Amino acid sequence: DIQMTQSPSSLSASIGDRVTITCRASQSISNSLNWYQQKPGKAPKLLIYAASSLQSGVPSRFGGSGSGTDFTLTISSLQPEDFATYHCQQSFSTHPYTFGQGTKLESK
Amino acid sequence: QVQLQESGAGLVKPSETLSLTCTVSGGSISGYFWTWIRQPPGKGLEWIGYVYYSGSTNYNPSLKSRVTISVDTSKNQFSLKLSSVTAADTAVYYCARRVDIASTIFSWFDPWGQGTLVTVSS
Repeated sequence: DIQMTQSPSSLSASIGDRVTITCRASQSISNSLNWYQQKPGKAPKLLIYAASSLQSGVPSRFGGSGSGTDFTLTISSLQPEDFATYHCQQSFSTHPYTFGQGTKLESK
Repeated sequence: QVQLQESGAGLVKPSETLSLTCTVSGGSISGYFWTWIRQPPGKGLEWIGYVYYSGSTNYNPSLKSRVTISVDTSKNQFSLKLSSVTAADTAVYYCARRVDIASTIFSWFDPWGQGTLVTVSS
């Protein structure tokens, strides 16, 4: 299985901050990396697919980058509604698909 | 737009079979892969498997011996059965649609159902 490791596991930030979350794959996955946002008690919501493509309706303050084994999700200016848990997921190997352990973004 | 809704028993006894159904509304089940994903309380997401509308399946090797995912196109539904459950199978179970770019490595899950908590306990 391809292991996905996110860092940090939790992060405290303030409104207006630039926030970066990292996801590392245990082997090269090209740019087959997706990001999801999950709020408490809710289902994950797709933010970014194929490492850097913004899902329709997602604010442009969210951005993704990376290729190979190292990827980042950046929020350019943190808004109150962005406090949530973020998950990365690889689609290079579908047997099985795997997710990172999640990064919880909290208010400082 | 397409919406998904999970249904099924919220409490299952150890060693019994967990059964859930996902109903797809606002669009046809045809032409897509349909997926089950679970999340134990306070933990990360685990992909369980998917079914194509034609009935072909792909399961997580870690669960393969206990999982069956099937589709009923006439009802626009797909289902999950997980046998011989233990407390470790307690989780919120989500259904989701797999979206992909044909013949590439790119696929993702969107949209998702709201999720349903299944507790394994006697």
